[in-house]
Amino acid sequence: GQQLNQSPQSMFIQEGEDVSMNCTSSSIFNTWLWYKQDPGEGPVLLIALYKAGELTSNGRLTAQFGITRKDSFLNISASIPSDVGIYFCAGQLGNTPLVFGKGTRLSVIA
Amino acid sequence: NAGVTQTPKFQVLKTGQSMTLQCAQDMNHEYMSWYRQDPGMGLRLIHYSVGAGITDQGEVPNGYNVSRSTTEDFPLRLLSAAPSQTSVYFCASSSRGYGYTFGSGTRLTVV
Repeated sequence: GQQLNQSPQSMFIQEGEDVSMNCTSSSIFNTWLWYKQDPGEGPVLLIALYKAGELTSNGRLTAQFGITRKDSFLNISASIPSDVGIYFCAGQLGNTPLVFGKGTRLSVIA
Repeated sequence: NAGVTQTPKFQVLKTGQSMTLQCAQDMNHEYMSWYRQDPGMGLRLIHYSVGAGITDQGEVPNGYNVSRSTTEDFPLRLLSAAPSQTSVYFCASSSRGYGYTFGSGTRLTVV
């Protein structure tokens, strides 16, 4: 099946630092989504991107839909302890089911 | 304001046993999906449905059956459990296939 390459696999950062993670695909998508998963919970939607080149913010989170439609990145500014979790990118073509990356595990050191 | 409800939250099965993982949503969403999550593998699609009476296979369908008799419910059946099916299972729903909402998961161990 389709695979999304998400990097990095894990990150250890100091509280207050900025974080950047990205996702690439060999095929195009017309929707990119970023989810966060807390321990013992299901993924929660953070940001949805529907247009190539689109840059969208949600508080300290900013995500962009790459102009080639094959990549997306997520930035988190001024990280705080509650940012800890696993971040997943997901791509979608039309209204087909989501294809997920393998996740970036974020740890924040206070 | 329940969203997507999955039951049970935890289950231990013996090899060869069968069981049904329940998923219900109260948002009148047409689209529903089942994913499994394994360490380092992300979320992989098992089966999905775009409406009552319509289901299709995802990436890893073997060993699982689904049916969609109502808009609200999308149960996942394990016919004969195997240790390889030890995983965390997530159900998700969406309106017209956009912005999926996930349940909190069922943690299944097959011994």
